[in-house]
This record gives sequence, C-alpha cells and structure tokens, in this order.
Amino acid sequence: GESVGLHLPTLSVQEGDNSIINCAYSNSASDYFIWYKQESGKGPQFIIDIRSNMDKRQGQRVTVLLNKTVKHLSLQIAATQPGDSAVYFCAEIGSGGGADGLTFGKGTHLIIQP
Amino acid sequence: DAGVTQSPTHLIKTRGQQVTLRCSPKSGHDTVSWYQQALGQGPQFIFQYYEEEERQRGNFPDRFSGHQFPNYSSELNVNALLLGDSALYLCASSLWTVQETQYFGPGTRLLVL
Repeated sequence: GESVGLHLPTLSVQEGDNSIINCAYSNSASDYFIWYKQESGKGPQFIIDIRSNMDKRQGQRVTVLLNKTVKHLSLQIAATQPGDSAVYFCAEIGSGGGADGLTFGKGTHLIIQP
Repeated sequence: DAGVTQSPTHLIKTRGQQVTLRCSPKSGHDTVSWYQQALGQGPQFIFQYYEEEERQRGNFPDRFSGHQFPNYSSELNVNALLLGDSALYLCASSLWTVQETQYFGPGTRLLVL
C-alpha cells in the first residue's frame, strides 16, 4: 500500500517464503517500469524492468507483474533471503523516455525474519 | 570498470550557506541526472545534464543549479540552504540514447542545521 509522510509500508516475511511487494502508479502514459532495491546507506540498485507492452517478466528469483488496467505493478521475490532486506521502490518513465527523469513511488521496507 | 561515484559522502551545513556536490558517472556514460531523497521517501528528480547542458528539470527552485564538465562529471549546487534541503542527494548516470537504464551512486547525505 501507499504511505503518507515518513512512514514506509513494511512487509515482514519469513526467510525462505515468497514476498510480494505492490506499487500503484498514476501516469497512464508511462511506458517503462523499473523496480529498485535500496539498502541502508546505498543508492538504488536495479532489479528488474518491464515495458508497458508486457504484463509479466521474470528474472532470477524475481518476477514483475504489470496490470495496466488498474495501474498496478508488483514484484515477487521467491525464497527470500536475509540479503533481500531493503527498501524496494517502483519507478516509472513516461512515453518521452528517461529525459524527464524517473518517477519513484514511496517504497516498501522488506524485513526478512530468520 | 568504476561505477558511479559521489563526493563527499556526508556534509553538514547551516541555513543560508551554499553547497556543491560532485558526481562521476559510470565509465562510458554521457548523461547525469540528480535526485533528492528525503528521509522515508522515494527519490525526486531534480535535473539532467547532457553535453554540458541542462536538458530537463523537475519541480525544484532556481536555488538548485548544476554543471556538467567535458569529462561528463557533474556538480550539483544549492544556494541559500534551507532546513528542508536536508536529504540524500543521488546522482544517476546513463547513456543519452538509453536513458531508461540509470545507474545510481551511493549518494551524498546533506544535513542543514
């Protein structure tokens, strides 16, 4: 879900379980979506991307699903590991390419319980 | 192959002062974008530089300015600092022709007192 102010949504999962992180976007003209992982004290790190002409894309242990009808994006992480603990952001780019910069969502803090 | 580097890592300033942050892009990249990330928020686009010119700008006041050098490195300048300018400032580099793929540096943490 979305957060207000300084409070990030938090998702707590058991190590080895699957995680699903959700993101809603507002710009129906967005053409390209990216999931970033940001660990404490570091910059965002690219995880996986998807274009608007696709509804699913798989990477290594990660899957991104795109539902353009409801403007919803999700990131699924299989068999979560302690190293997956981080804040996850979805970002979008409009049909003009990256020239207008990435527009980031507010982020979800993923906590892995041992 | 060096990634994106930023300096300094941390900085403390007082209200009204001016600050300059620096960024070296990933090897081979020609475009630099700057983002501001307030605590608990996602990064917000400030502006983008290519061929030593500002190409696009987000919703930030003129107190925020920048520069790109012939070697593609970039500076972000903020004048008349406000308490609300306290944030993590991120630099991202890309190719002008493939701007969707942006690589981020570790950021500079600015605290304004």
